[in-house]
Amino acid sequence: AQRVTQPEKLLSVFKGAPVELKCNYSYSGSPELFWYVQYSRQRLQLLLRHISRESIKGFTADLNKGETSFHLKKPFAQEEDSAMYYCAQRYSNYQLIWGAGTKLIIKP
Amino acid sequence: GAGVSQSPSNKVTEKGKDVELRCDPISGHTALYWYRQSLGQGLEFLIYFQGNSAPDKSGLPSDRFSAERTGGSVSTLTIQRTQQEDSAVYLCASNPGIPPGELFFGEGSRLTVL
Repeated sequence: AQRVTQPEKLLSVFKGAPVELKCNYSYSGSPELFWYVQYSRQRLQLLLRHISRESIKGFTADLNKGETSFHLKKPFAQEEDSAMYYCAQRYSNYQLIWGAGTKLIIKP
Repeated sequence: GAGVSQSPSNKVTEKGKDVELRCDPISGHTALYWYRQSLGQGLEFLIYFQGNSAPDKSGLPSDRFSAERTGGSVSTLTIQRTQQEDSAVYLCASNPGIPPGELFFGEGSRLTVL
């Protein structure tokens, strides 16, 4: 079965430190992957998708087909990055499979 | 409105009662999803509507759950004879229906069943 795994339920790092949120997906010939973010008291929103190969709010994510990973990285964490992060993989024309989410806490 | 609107934002009910949750998608978005968000379990797909096509109900956990979408716009998720395990945040999302589109989420309806 298709599966998206986010191994860390909680990740806590100091401000200014690098952060990496892990995501592993089930093998698929041409996977389409996303990171969504939910800040406190805000709605869930798209952060970035791998096909765009863009950097949003300093975050990047590289698709590694060999390791079936799509880890989210930022070199210098900021306090406003504290949020819940979800990795998702497209499963069909309209379905996404979601990871369980990682709560990121940036300590001052 | 500018975004997906859900109501009520919070609902506390007693076990055995029926509840209705409403979602008003972004105007013009033909695709509408309902998800259930439980702590530590990610988003659980419930149902998908696309235009006038038959909905994909494959995620509904039991026959106590049903959903309608009237006129291709507003959707209502109904949970009958609520159980404590139904307590969760119910999220609605819409998109223009052209894959691979971004999902636009509402703020959710938090349901607590006592």
